[in-house]
Amino acid sequence: AQSVTQLDSQVPVFEEAPVELRCNYSSSVSVYLFWYVQYPNQGLQLLLKYLSGSTLVKGINGFEAEFNKSQTSFHLRKPSVHISDTAEYFCAVSLTGTASKLTFGTGTRLQVTL
Amino acid sequence: GAGVSQSPSNKVTEKGKDVELRCDPISGHTALYWYRQRLGQGLEFLIYFQGNSAPDKSGLPSDRFSAERTGESVSTLTIQRTQQEDSAVYLCASSLSGNQDEQYFGPGTRLTVT
Repeated sequence: AQSVTQLDSQVPVFEEAPVELRCNYSSSVSVYLFWYVQYPNQGLQLLLKYLSGSTLVKGINGFEAEFNKSQTSFHLRKPSVHISDTAEYFCAVSLTGTASKLTFGTGTRLQVTL
Repeated sequence: GAGVSQSPSNKVTEKGKDVELRCDPISGHTALYWYRQRLGQGLEFLIYFQGNSAPDKSGLPSDRFSAERTGESVSTLTIQRTQQEDSAVYLCASSLSGNQDEQYFGPGTRLTVT
């Protein structure tokens, strides 16, 4: 079975600083990879996804992530964060060639301050 | 158009009672998913509906949990004889099809079992 690890439960960062949220996965077969964001009192929203092709994936709101197969990682990055990026970020995987049920990590709380 | 809606937004129930949670997916979406989010944990997959196919129930934690979907519309998740460990946010998502399309999440139902 596949699993997802988000080692950082909270990441505090100052506005306009860069940020990286880490995600590692474990699977014996190929996977698709996703990052979702949950703003306070809102539902989850897809930030970006990797299905195939270029390992550098660009998403909404200036976020990007890089798939590294050898390190089984899919870290999320943004070069300059804003206060409005404060939210919970979830990494998720699904198995290729199967139904789309997602396996999620435990989430990382990004707290952006002035 | 409207997004995924869920009702109720909050539900407090006594241990041993049955509860029913409702999900209205986005119109035209053939795939529907239920997830559970316990405090401090990632989302756990519960069940997946795709068109007229038999649902994937592999994530249901016990036989106290069941779900139904009427055609490609409303779904209800029923928890019988609720236990305190059932306390969680229950999230519903829908997608256009089950083939790696983006899942759109509802705001969730917060269930508290006292």
